[in-house]
Amino acid sequence: GENVEQHPSTLSVQEGDSAVIKCTYSDSASNYFPWYKQELGKRPQLIIDIRSNVGEKKDQRIAVTLNKTAKHFSLHITETQPEDSAVYFCAAHFTGTYKYIFGTGTRLKVLA
Amino acid sequence: GAVVSQHPSRVICKSGTSVKIECRSLDFQATTMFWYRQFPKQSLMLMATSNEGSKATYEQGVEKDKFLINHASLTLSTLTVTSAHPEDSSFYICSAPGGETNEKLFFGSGTQLSVL
Repeated sequence: GENVEQHPSTLSVQEGDSAVIKCTYSDSASNYFPWYKQELGKRPQLIIDIRSNVGEKKDQRIAVTLNKTAKHFSLHITETQPEDSAVYFCAAHFTGTYKYIFGTGTRLKVLA
Repeated sequence: GAVVSQHPSRVICKSGTSVKIECRSLDFQATTMFWYRQFPKQSLMLMATSNEGSKATYEQGVEKDKFLINHASLTLSTLTVTSAHPEDSSFYICSAPGGETNEKLFFGSGTQLSVL
């Protein structure tokens, strides 16, 4: 079935360090992989996304990598700041059913 | 662009009553909208896919008679929680694909439902 696994569930880093969150997906036909940041009680905000025809994408301190063969994709945040503290969700777009399935989330805490 | 509006943001109701949640795409047309449910500190669980002009597609385990979805226009989808029970208390959030390639998923602001 359609499934997205995400690790770790919680992550604490010192300010200025890097954070990496990893996801795997079940359907090799998936073609679009967004990452969302959600603050408490708020809507998820798209922070970066990647399509299956690209291996890596970067936007300032945020980057996403995709390994289609292994069905893995990862979020990399460099030079973390306290305002990066939030819950991060990966997602995969399953082309057959058109659904967007989300990972279980990672609670990132950046310690000042 | 690609703004999704959701109302109400918070609702408190008594057991047995019905609650309607509206989701509107303000500056784009959405033939498809997705309804998610989120419990505290948990992920977004897909409940159903709302399709304009046709029946919604429900995920396994979601009661279609309890969670009524209507997608009557290209900019409006509604979710009605019928005969609400305390266990229906949750954060309900809608989303719609938009953007240049119609892939980016844009979310409404969510509705916190509390059933007493």
